[in-house]
Amino acid sequence: EVQLLESGGGLVQPGGSLRLSCAASGFTFSSYGMNWVRQAPGKGLEWVSTISSSGDSTYYADSVKGRFTISRDNSKNTLYLQMNSLRADDTAVYYCAKGGGTFPKYYYGMDVWGQGTTVTASS
Amino acid sequence: QSVLIQPPSASGTPGQRVTISCSGSSSNIGSNTVNWYQQLPGTAPKLLIYADNQRPSGVPVRFSGSKSGTSASLAISGLQSEDEADYYCASWDDRLNVVVFGGGTKLTVL
Repeated sequence: EVQLLESGGGLVQPGGSLRLSCAASGFTFSSYGMNWVRQAPGKGLEWVSTISSSGDSTYYADSVKGRFTISRDNSKNTLYLQMNSLRADDTAVYYCAKGGGTFPKYYYGMDVWGQGTTVTASS
Repeated sequence: QSVLIQPPSASGTPGQRVTISCSGSSSNIGSNTVNWYQQLPGTAPKLLIYADNQRPSGVPVRFSGSKSGTSASLAISGLQSEDEADYYCASWDDRLNVVVFGGGTKLTVL
């Protein structure tokens, strides 16, 4: 079964850091680009970042550029999101999603999603 | 304000056909494919339509997508109560070099 399982969310003070992980199984992780997408409470989906299958190319939303870093370890089938200088407006459920098709345009969409992990930045 | 514009809400009665629009520009919908996602209450999003009008395996045929110029639409025919959900369009934007989502449309089955 194809599966993504996020972890690492929690409560952090504004200005703090957190690292999210996404463990992949059931598919050849090293062959696909991966994404992070977030959803603030009561709001819509916001794309955060994407990384190529090899990890050598990345893109970021302006709202997180310079503060968040996406990375992956293909030997561990795991995707990461290092979040620094967290702000209150980073509070959201963070989903990892597998990219379908050629990075970064994913013409086949984000075809597998995890269940999400909640990040709360509050004092 | 989202780059892709969707109506915030839509509604219909069981059996009806409803459409949800998604308006963009030449740098996103006009030059890249559109994907649609369904998010049922309290769950993660699910890919509903990819590459403008293709259904992933397991998605009922009553869901269909179309695109013309810088706009796209999602149509749901034979509306069912379990279709009550939030629907999002998305595309790559060549000018911004990011994935852009619509603001989402909340579909209510009356």
